[in-house]
Amino acid sequence: NAGVTQTPKFQVLKTGQSMTLQCAQDMNHEYMSWYRQDPGMGLRLIHYSVGAGITDQGEVPNGYNVSRSTTEDFPLRLLSAAPSQTSVYFCASSPTRNTEAFFGQGTRLTVV
Amino acid sequence: GENVEQHPSTLSVQEGDSAVIKCTYSDSASNYFPWYKQELGKGPQLIIDIRSNVGEKKDQRIAVTLNKTAKHFSLHITETQPEDSAVYFCAASMNSGYSTLTFGKGTMLLVSP
Repeated sequence: NAGVTQTPKFQVLKTGQSMTLQCAQDMNHEYMSWYRQDPGMGLRLIHYSVGAGITDQGEVPNGYNVSRSTTEDFPLRLLSAAPSQTSVYFCASSPTRNTEAFFGQGTRLTVV
Repeated sequence: GENVEQHPSTLSVQEGDSAVIKCTYSDSASNYFPWYKQELGKGPQLIIDIRSNVGEKKDQRIAVTLNKTAKHFSLHITETQPEDSAVYFCAASMNSGYSTLTFGKGTMLLVSP
């Protein structure tokens, strides 16, 4: 049982490049979310999804896109990377609202 | 939207001592309050949660208390051990609509042997 799998674990991008952070879960959870973690800022919600085909913005959505075509996958796209997007990104899933959220191991992204 | 404040940002204790981390929330409609532990290089992991119809919940050395009137909740760890050293996050969410978790900024707990 893999839980929540994020790829890649590390990535270095040049300013202006685009990339997709992958997130997959094998628990058939409806809710999936993307967070970024910066020193002293805690976990801030970027985008979330409450089921296939349904996504919405969180606290810090600018510069990021998401889609949810299947229950299992919830990729996060950086359209044109900026140094301000240097962060650790976590994907999480939960069966429904107000239940345990299971986090992936994170992706450490550096934009130079 | 919801705002969660967490204190202290760092906490150092001796092994065997108790540790208390406090959080306040702003939205009285919030009714679910989980606590997560994050070890170095890993994702956060749920350690305990409480819902607004309960004032206190315990799980071995860990307990959480909730004061709805004052809008604050606390994590209590007794008989701390070095393996308790980690970053702890509190969070809050509402049981309505597409509610999402709002996290505090975290507390780094250091337990010295």
